[in-house]
Order: sequence, then C-alpha cells, then structure tokens
Amino acid sequence: EAEVAQSPRYKITEKSQAVAFWCDPISGHATLYWYRQILGQGPELLVQFQDESVVDDSQLPKDRFSAERLKGVDSTLKIQPAELGDSAMYLCASTAGTGIAGELFFGEGSRLTVL
Amino acid sequence: TQLLEQSPQFLSIQEGENLTVYCNSSSVFSSLQWYRQEPGEGPVLLVTVVTGGEVKKLKRLTFQFGDARKDSSLHITAAQPGDTGLYLCAGIKGGKLIFGQGTELSVKP
Repeated sequence: EAEVAQSPRYKITEKSQAVAFWCDPISGHATLYWYRQILGQGPELLVQFQDESVVDDSQLPKDRFSAERLKGVDSTLKIQPAELGDSAMYLCASTAGTGIAGELFFGEGSRLTVL
Repeated sequence: TQLLEQSPQFLSIQEGENLTVYCNSSSVFSSLQWYRQEPGEGPVLLVTVVTGGEVKKLKRLTFQFGDARKDSSLHITAAQPGDTGLYLCAGIKGGKLIFGQGTELSVKP
C-alpha cells in the first residue's frame, strides 16, 4: 500500500541549530501539506504545495521556516534557527487532485525536540 | 481561539461503554472529516460528511453532521481498547482543512 514517507522520525537538537525534514508523498499526488502538531493539540497547517508551487504559506513563520518542493515531488521543511517552542510533531500529508475535498494521507511524522 | 472546538478533550472509559465526542463551531463548513491518530503516527481518515443532517455509520462508530453544517458528533457503541487514540475533527473551509484540538480517548479493559 502506498504511503507518505517522512524522515527522520525523531530529531533532537539544541536551540539555534538548523534542522530539516523530508517528505516523499504518495506517487502521483499533486498536493502536499506540512502540518505542525504540538502535543495534545490538533495539526496546524504550515504550508500547502500544488505541484512545485506554494498555494498557502500564510501560517509559516518565514523568519525561520522555509519549505520547498523543487520538482513537484518530494519536499523539504527547514527550520533555522530552531527555538524551544518549535518542539512538536511535523506531519506531511498528500492528496490526489488540486483540493482537499478528498482524503489526506499523512506520514508517520517527524518528532522534533529542541533543547 | 479554536475555529473547531472539540469536547471533551479527555475521556477515559471502561470497555463496553458508549461515548459521544462533539465538534462545534460558529462557522459553516462545506464538509467535515473525522480522523483517528495513534501515538507516534499520523492521523488516518475515518469518514467525510458533506450534507447537513447526514449520518454515516462505520461498524460501531456513528457520525453525524449538523443540519446547519456547523457541528458534528462521533458516537462509539460498546467501546473497545482498540478504540483508544486521539480523535480529530477537521472542517473544510475556503479550501483549507482546519483541525479541532482533538479528543484523547482511553478505553480500559
């Protein structure tokens, strides 16, 4: 069964360091999302891609966060410098088509701990 | 302030009991989804409801979308330990999927 792949599963870093997360969506899925989920809360959208283009990054803290999907397939989310409040699960999701009327398929997530 | 408010936030029950989780908003959504998330995993879609007043059943789970498409409920009959997890409602509004804060369910054998 096709899955959304994410790495690393776990990352521990010190504040002010740079971190990067990688996501490979289900093959053929044009829309890719990065969500941040703080423990005990629901996921919050950081950025949405349609192919290689950013559709929505209004909630992305652009002073320290960046995201790219250069060839419209896999994607990287970077944080530089990391802050204590960035500790969270970073979830990648993808969906077929151009909207979110259907099902979002989530990866297992990347758990970030900032010390 | 959450656009989607879920209640209760935490629920601990014994195996065999029934429960209802609520998802409320003052906004209208074009559709609403329910996801279940296990620790260390990503959310998995359970159901999508689209029509106001719609009721969908998935084995022991019953989902209802409010007539005004502002709220939804999830009812579980005869809960089992395998139902333990974080239940998330998510509304589609303006092309965005907005999640509630989740209901943490623990079913004890």
